Amino acid sequence: DIQMTQSPSSLSASVGDRVTITCRASQDINNYLAWFQQKPGKAPKSLIYSASTLQSGVPSRFSGSGSGTDFTLTISSLQPEDFGTYYCQHYHSFPRTFGQGTNLEIK
Amino acid sequence: QVQLVQSGSELKKPGASVKVSCKASAYTFTNYAIHWVRQAPGQGLEWMGWINTNTGNPTYAQGFTGRFVFSLDSSVSTAHLQISSLKAEDTAIYYCARGEYCSTTTCFASSLEYWGQGTLVTVSS
Repeated sequence: DIQMTQSPSSLSASVGDRVTITCRASQDINNYLAWFQQKPGKAPKSLIYSASTLQSGVPSRFSGSGSGTDFTLTISSLQPEDFGTYYCQHYHSFPRTFGQGTNLEIK
Repeated sequence: QVQLVQSGSELKKPGASVKVSCKASAYTFTNYAIHWVRQAPGQGLEWMGWINTNTGNPTYAQGFTGRFVFSLDSSVSTAHLQISSLKAEDTAIYYCARGEYCSTTTCFASSLEYWGQGTLVTVSS
């Protein structure tokens, strides 16, 4: 099974900051990588697929990069509504494992 | 717009069974797989498996075999998750999500773009 490791597990940043979350796969997953945002009490929301393609309606301050085993999610200028937990998930093969999540707090 | 609407919260006793439904709308139900994801209280997302809505074939992740069953009622565009012999550790929110496009012969891997709102299953005596 492919393991997905996110870092950091939590972070606190200020409005306007540039924030980067990383996700590492235990083996090559090409670009079969998605990012999700989850707010408390809500279902996950799809942000990015194919490692770098924004879902429709997702603000352009979000971006994704990477291929193979190392991926990043970047928020270029953090906004108050960006708090929540972020998860990566691969869809290269089964099982489709998630990263353990990164809890993003706004200072 | 594409929607997945799940059934309401459930409170069950240990040993009982529960069936969670996920009703799809605004797309051809049998064209896209349905995945199931579990989130225990205060924990992360755990992929449970998926069902090919074209063939009805389910695939279960390790840890979700035996007591967990994915099924379909394609006549009403609904997927079901049934959990039997409930245990306290089954207490969680269960999400359905739309996955890959599947033709009659193959599926094309894709991310989970649309999610249901989640169903809280509480197992307590």
